[in-house]
Amino acid sequence: AQSVTQLDSQVPVFEEAPVELRCNYSSSVSVYLFWYVQYPNQGLQLLLKYLSGSTLVKGINGFEAEFNKSQTSFHLRKPSVHISDTAEYFCAADTGGFKTIFGAGTRLFVKA
Amino acid sequence: ETGVTQSPTHLIKTRGQQVTLRCSSQSGHNTVSWYQQALGQGPQFIFQYYREEENGRGNFPPRFSGLQFPNYSSELNVNALELDDSALYLCASSSGTDYEQYFGPGTRLTVT
Repeated sequence: AQSVTQLDSQVPVFEEAPVELRCNYSSSVSVYLFWYVQYPNQGLQLLLKYLSGSTLVKGINGFEAEFNKSQTSFHLRKPSVHISDTAEYFCAADTGGFKTIFGAGTRLFVKA
Repeated sequence: ETGVTQSPTHLIKTRGQQVTLRCSSQSGHNTVSWYQQALGQGPQFIFQYYREEENGRGNFPPRFSGLQFPNYSSELNVNALELDDSALYLCASSSGTDYEQYFGPGTRLTVT
């Protein structure tokens, strides 16, 4: 069965420091991978997606992620975070048809 | 271009009652998916509608049902509400061409 595991429930980091949010997926078939951000009391916004091709994917707000098939990982990175990046981040996987499986989320807290 | 909208924003119901949540998809999108997001968790896939037909269902009981209308707007109906149904309900629309889902802001349902 397909599953998504986010390895950290909370990640505190100082402003302007780099950050990595870790995500592993489990799927026996080809998978499409996504990272979403959710600000308080709002819906989800797509940060980036991997469908095929280059394993390094660049998204909005300076985020990027790398697809690693051998390690079944799709970690999200940003070289320098801002206070405004404080939010909940969700990794998600889809084997086709938009029936997306989400991880439990990682709370990124950026401190001044 | 109008984004995905949901109504109502908040709702309080009593256990055993029935509720209907509504979603207007983004212009040009023919697919709508519904998700349940319990507090502190990632969204869980409920079901998806494509051109007015159910196109997949997650692990939710039959008391969760839905409709999609000719204009591709959608409803989620939940009968015999239980306390555990308290959650944020998200709908997402997609065009079926780029694996990108656009989420609405959600409806916060509280069951007392």
